[in-house]
Amino acid sequence: GAVVSQHPSWVICKSGTSVKIECRSLDFQATTMFWYRQFPKQSLMLMATSNEGSKATYEQGVEKDKFLINHASLTLSTLTVTSAHPEDSSFYICSARAPLTGALNQPQHFGDGTRLSIL
Amino acid sequence: GESVGLHLPTLSVQEGDNSIINCAYSNSASDYFIWYKQESGKGPQFIIDIRSNMDKRQGQRVTVLLNKTVKHLSLQIAATQPGDSAVYFCAESKDNYGQNFVFGPGTRLSVLP
Repeated sequence: GAVVSQHPSWVICKSGTSVKIECRSLDFQATTMFWYRQFPKQSLMLMATSNEGSKATYEQGVEKDKFLINHASLTLSTLTVTSAHPEDSSFYICSARAPLTGALNQPQHFGDGTRLSIL
Repeated sequence: GESVGLHLPTLSVQEGDNSIINCAYSNSASDYFIWYKQESGKGPQFIIDIRSNMDKRQGQRVTVLLNKTVKHLSLQIAATQPGDSAVYFCAESKDNYGQNFVFGPGTRLSVLP
């Protein structure tokens, strides 16, 4: 079953509004989560690394004031796209770093993504 | 056959045949590699991984080959099934734990009946 849950799976909103996307680790605590963006027929591009209890680390070219990340608990990270515009329309995917101990044999577990469409 | 279009390269194979998906990675310092499968509208799904101290690793119906000399990674899928149709990404990482992934461009695998 899914170990990382992302919500909502699809959102359509008007230009200028802010949209919050949640990423939850279901069966484990994730001190580190990652946010990716994927445009149609393209690969995943890392936007930022979210660390519980501290500021996120953004990749070059990603506006931190535009994409607000909050990782307030060990099981939840949120990405808020502020004042969204049509060019922000994309597929946003989060992942959670697996614990070093335990049965999970993958380094990261991915959510099923959020399709954001800005009109 | 394999073709490269404007976007994702596509590999078409007959059901039951073996598939080979290739990936050229960029960083000679990369130490850890993963193949992911992504179905339409979903997140990446882990298939198999390999560390740089190995050149081959086998899983269930899948084999990953690593050639560090030419920075090349391949995924072999035996007896390809319709459910294997998806986009496949390789990912490379410099650290042993697989953080800071860099994803390859992806290959779409289409399985023909």
